[in-house]
Amino acid sequence: EPEVTQTPSHQVTQMGQEVILRCVPISNHLYFYWYRQILGQKVEFLVSFYNNEISEKSEIFDDQFSVERPDGSNFTLKIRSTKLEDSAMYFCASQSYGYTFGSGTRLTVV
Amino acid sequence: QQPVQSPQAVILREGEDAVINCSSSKALYSVHWYRQKHGEAPVFLMILLKGGEQKGHEKISASFNEKKQQSSLYLTASQLSYSGTYFCGTVGSGNTGKLIFGQGTTLQVKP
Repeated sequence: EPEVTQTPSHQVTQMGQEVILRCVPISNHLYFYWYRQILGQKVEFLVSFYNNEISEKSEIFDDQFSVERPDGSNFTLKIRSTKLEDSAMYFCASQSYGYTFGSGTRLTVV
Repeated sequence: QQPVQSPQAVILREGEDAVINCSSSKALYSVHWYRQKHGEAPVFLMILLKGGEQKGHEKISASFNEKKQQSSLYLTASQLSYSGTYFCGTVGSGNTGKLIFGQGTTLQVKP
């Protein structure tokens, strides 16, 4: 069964540093999303991406965040200057019918 | 607007049934259901489009009442493997594709 692949699985970073989270969506899917989940809490929408541009973003997705699809396969989420409260599990998802989520990147900001 | 799920938690014995409800204050295009096991990603169970349909997936089925903006997930003859957190996700009537998740219902099935 096709999978969404995320790397790294776990990243520890110093506050104020930039991080890039990577995702390879399912190849024939057209819609891509980033969500995050703070430990034990709900899954929160960050941004949706279609046709190589952002189609919608949440209030969480401020100027510190950006997304790119640099080469037609990878889909990246960049956090420019991380804060302690950015610590969470970040999930990438692609959609044809239901969402298929990647296994996530656990980001720990120290 | 985040959909509201009830109950927050359920404990069952194997073979028992459960119902998880999901309610929205906004008009909906569709409702999704996902199951997440501890430390893993949410896994898609089913999607219900407006029209009041009911769908099934093994012994797990769901209904969607478009007028009431409510959906229910039915788990019958529960198995140990059903344990996890169940999330409903709603897509608004504008159908932008953005899924807003409920807060989750934790289901624990005991032998």
